[in-house]
Amino acid sequence: GDSVTQTEGPVTVSESESLIINCTYSATSIAYPNLFWYVRYPGEGLQLLLKVITAGQKGSSRGFEATYNKETTSFHLQKASVQESDSAVYYCALGRNNYAQGLTFGLGTRVSVFP
Amino acid sequence: DTTVKQNPRYKLARVGKPVNLICSQTMNHDTMYWYQKKPNQAPKLLLFYYDKILNREADTFEKFQSSRPNNSFCSLYIGSAGLEYSAMYLCASSRGGPSQNTLYFGAGTRLSVL
Repeated sequence: GDSVTQTEGPVTVSESESLIINCTYSATSIAYPNLFWYVRYPGEGLQLLLKVITAGQKGSSRGFEATYNKETTSFHLQKASVQESDSAVYYCALGRNNYAQGLTFGLGTRVSVFP
Repeated sequence: DTTVKQNPRYKLARVGKPVNLICSQTMNHDTMYWYQKKPNQAPKLLLFYYDKILNREADTFEKFQSSRPNNSFCSLYIGSAGLEYSAMYLCASSRGGPSQNTLYFGAGTRLSVL
């Protein structure tokens, strides 16, 4: 079946430093799945951070970026300068197909940003 | 409004007793999902409704039931709770169709089985 592997947390960074969370995927149900990053801030539900549906394209939101690399089957999340408000759990996910059949998630990476 | 609401936020259940969790959305989404999240594990899809059609995952087929009496409402039912059902249950919804699998999640219901 499909699977997603991402950086094991917790990850601790200082404010203004850069952050990268690695994500690689294996998709058996579809050749080029839609790829997602979701985030869960403390006390809140999971929410979409960014999404890319075309291989080779880059998605960005709130200063975060991720590029869909079909050669390496990766979708790493990066931010050049983090803030304390970026402290959250980040989940990489893939769409099981291009229709509404749900997402396969990674384990999640807890990120703590210290001032 | 992109809100998915789940009730209650916390639920306590006894082993062997039934459990019913509730989810609603007002976005007129045609698909609604239930995920189970345990500590140090990825969220796991249990089942989803596309319109009125229920799809249950093969490995949880017999453990969970669901109903969707209308477009806005979906419930998750456990007939006889066991300790292994203790988890966070996440409801989500999405518009169906190609490339439309962006899910909107509720805040979750934390179920503790004693």
